[in-house]
Amino acid sequence: QVQLQESGPGLVKPSQTLSLTCTVSGGSINSGGYYWSWTRQHPGKGLEWIGYIYYSGTTYYNPSLKSRVTISVDTSKNQFSLKVSSVTAADTAVYYCARYVDATSTYYFDYWGQGALVTVSS
Amino acid sequence: QTVVTQEPSFSVSPGGTVTLTCGLRSGSVSTSYHPSWYQQTPGLPPRTLVYNTNIRSSGVPDRFSGSILGNKAALTITGAQADDECDYYCALYVGSGIWVFGGGTKLTVL
Repeated sequence: QVQLQESGPGLVKPSQTLSLTCTVSGGSINSGGYYWSWTRQHPGKGLEWIGYIYYSGTTYYNPSLKSRVTISVDTSKNQFSLKVSSVTAADTAVYYCARYVDATSTYYFDYWGQGALVTVSS
Repeated sequence: QTVVTQEPSFSVSPGGTVTLTCGLRSGSVSTSYHPSWYQQTPGLPPRTLVYNTNIRSSGVPDRFSGSILGNKAALTITGAQADDECDYYCALYVGSGIWVFGGGTKLTVL
């Protein structure tokens, strides 16, 4: 059973960089057929896909966030990370990491982390 | 910018059937969008219900079913139960590696 766990600061100051890490257990991040994704949820709102990364480093980002977002992977630690630069209060959200299945004609998010609340405030 | 539409709220009686839909502000949803559906109880992460239009995720009861109805993806819940009362999100693959979630439907069972 694959498990994902987000970690990182729960409070970030405006204009700084938000950084989160997702640790994967029960499976290798090197496994082919999967991307590793980030999605966020503003308080009381819906889900917003941020982007995902393959173990090789290939990334795809939400166009509306692309200029401020970087997703990276550390296969030696079985982790992947999210950085959002120049944050404002609008980046306050629960951030979820999830595994994305990318197999032959099968595409969806199957395993999700518990989520990490990040508040942007001075 | 692609906008995915869902009913903001829906109500169903216990034991009843409800169909939630997932559309595009411009255009029609087809299987090539690989629609998937996620259930979320407030305070918890999403749970995957259906993917690739109509394939149930492991452990999901067969009273949840996905389909294409007209120009939208649909999630039908038959025999609604009290613990089905939560939020439902659809997601569509819009190409170039990009996914878009709908705004979600808040389902009330009463």
